[in-house]
Amino acid sequence: GENVEQHPSTLSVQEGDSAVIKCTYSDSASNYFPWYKQELGKRPQLIIDIRSNVGEKKDQRIAVTLNKTAKHFSLHITETQPEDSAVYFCAASKGNTDKLIFGTGTRLQVFP
Amino acid sequence: AAGVIQSPRHLIKEKRETATLKCYPIPRHDTVYWYQQGPGQDPQFLISFYEKMQSDKGSIPDRFSAQQFSDYHSELNMSSLELGDSALYFCASSFVPDTQYFGPGTRLTVL
Repeated sequence: GENVEQHPSTLSVQEGDSAVIKCTYSDSASNYFPWYKQELGKRPQLIIDIRSNVGEKKDQRIAVTLNKTAKHFSLHITETQPEDSAVYFCAASKGNTDKLIFGTGTRLQVFP
Repeated sequence: AAGVIQSPRHLIKEKRETATLKCYPIPRHDTVYWYQQGPGQDPQFLISFYEKMQSDKGSIPDRFSAQQFSDYHSELNMSSLELGDSALYFCASSFVPDTQYFGPGTRLTVL
């Protein structure tokens, strides 16, 4: 079955700096890759997603890149703010009604 | 905009008791997913339903069962509860292929 690895497990940055989180997946049939932000005790919130027919997608300070050949995708957050502090999960899916397989999460701390 | 509704939000049970968690998907969403998230862990897929039929099954114990009703709401039934069942249980729903929106979760504590 699908396996998603995520690095780093923790990331500390200064406010205004950039943050990058990387994930790799194992199943070449996966074609949908969302990123979720989760604050303590709260629900995972979708922040951006990318499908396999696209190499890069950007939404304001957040961008995601996908390398299908390497089975690798990354989340880039620019101009980080303290409110960006949370746990970020990458996930992979074969699309349609398929389940999400999550990475192990990255705890991002942004210091003022 | 309407979101996924889950009830109850918190539930405390004793070992060997039963629990029922409910999920009301976003209106017009036809697919419901259940995930279990232990402390410090990533969400783990349990089971999903598409148009009221089970569409996939993950690491769900035999003590758990679920169904989706004619109004598309779903219930997760958990019996013979164990201490290790203590977790956050999330329901997610989708309509457009792929995008899953999560509910606020039910925190289950088994004593």
